[in-house]
Amino acid sequence: DIVMTQSPDTLAVSLGERATINCKSSQSVLYSSNNKNYLAWYQQKPGQPPKLLIYWASTRESGVPDRFSGSGSGTDFTLTISSLQAEDVAVYYCQQYYSTPIFGQGTRLEIK
Amino acid sequence: QVQLVQSGAEVKKPGSSVKVSCKASGGIFSSYVISWVRQAPGQGLEWMGRIIPIFGIADYAQKFQGRVTMTADKSTETVYMELNSLKSEDTAVYFCARDPPGVRTDYNYFDLWGRGTLVTVSS
Repeated sequence: DIVMTQSPDTLAVSLGERATINCKSSQSVLYSSNNKNYLAWYQQKPGQPPKLLIYWASTRESGVPDRFSGSGSGTDFTLTISSLQAEDVAVYYCQQYYSTPIFGQGTRLEIK
Repeated sequence: QVQLVQSGAEVKKPGSSVKVSCKASGGIFSSYVISWVRQAPGQGLEWMGRIIPIFGIADYAQKFQGRVTMTADKSTETVYMELNSLKSEDTAVYFCARDPPGVRTDYNYFDLWGRGTLVTVSS
């Protein structure tokens, strides 16, 4: 199975500042036949289900604010929040769907 | 507005079984692929398996093979996840989640989630 490792486990960022969360896969999730990275990002707030933010590593889901962006390819990926808002406090998960779906362990984002 | 509506919380004894339901309201149920993902208290997300309701075909994560069964009732647009031989470690919130319609890949991300069903396993 592919192992997904996120860093850091916890991140504290000041309001209005940039937040960066990393996700590394134990093997490439780039499908050579279509040049797509099979990587998604979710946001989960307490007591709620995960919410899809990004898929294909960099495509923003409809309705997701444009301060959220995804980047990376192969085995290394990043979720960036360009200007942190109070409502962005949550746990963020990456997920690969190149093979049997596996999630990262999550990154808790807090306000500094 | 398409929603996935899950059944209510359950408390079960070790060794027993639980069956959780997920009803699709709105949308075209027959075209969906529905996965089950669980989350133990304070822990991360774990994919358990999926079912294609129109065909009734399911496949399961290796960890749950032999202990989980996913079924679908097309007439009520409901999918079910039954987990047997429950242990305390199965205490978790169980989510149903949908593959994005029309995205044809072997595996997928999930664009719509139910609100989750808490299953507590305790003697």
